[in-house]
Amino acid sequence: QQQVKQSPQSLIVQKGGISIINCAYENTAFDYFPWYQQFPGKGPALLIAIRPDVSEKKEGRFTISFNKSAKQFSLHIMDSQPGDSATYFCAVRNTGGFKTIFGAGTRLFVKA
Amino acid sequence: NAGVTQTPKFQVLKTGQSMTLQCAQDMNHNSMYWYRQDPGMGLRLIYYSASEGTTDKGEVPNGYNVSRLNKREFSLRLESAAPSQTSVYFCASTPGGGGNTEAFFGQGTRLTVV
Repeated sequence: QQQVKQSPQSLIVQKGGISIINCAYENTAFDYFPWYQQFPGKGPALLIAIRPDVSEKKEGRFTISFNKSAKQFSLHIMDSQPGDSATYFCAVRNTGGFKTIFGAGTRLFVKA
Repeated sequence: NAGVTQTPKFQVLKTGQSMTLQCAQDMNHNSMYWYRQDPGMGLRLIYYSASEGTTDKGEVPNGYNVSRLNKREFSLRLESAAPSQTSVYFCASTPGGGGNTEAFFGQGTRLTVV
């Protein structure tokens, strides 16, 4: 049973363009929505995260947009750079719990 | 500043062999996790330990056992490896449960079962 659906599976963007990755979740008990970035041969690392009491969070070129009523959130990478080429995972975490549930991942390639 | 350390980084096993993946964290975190990563499947939770002395099943626990040896160390054991267990395994830790808790991951163990 897939609790987090992430799209697209892969994405190719020109340098300087905007990369957009989407996630949808099912359980309204989730209260923490992080995005992780993973480079080849490395473990995932936290990129940016949002709580459900705000609709948007921006850190540098990275923005999370959150739509609580639609149970969707997305990652926007502005002015995408070749160094942003990586796999991105959205995730959700349940209230008071210990489990972080990950989406299937999006492989982003930024063309120079 | 080691963070989460996994050993080994690579391993090839024959079907039916056993092995233990080791994980240690130096951040004084309470909770530790084992995930497996397969293409198109994301990261799936195998087992987790909310705190020292406790372990619980995750999404895909069959064929695995874990031991929380102390607060720092959390090992994953494959008693009789199967080709379906070919995967990249990640250990992670968090300060504790609930709220805004970033997970810190190790570098991964690439396991091939032939």
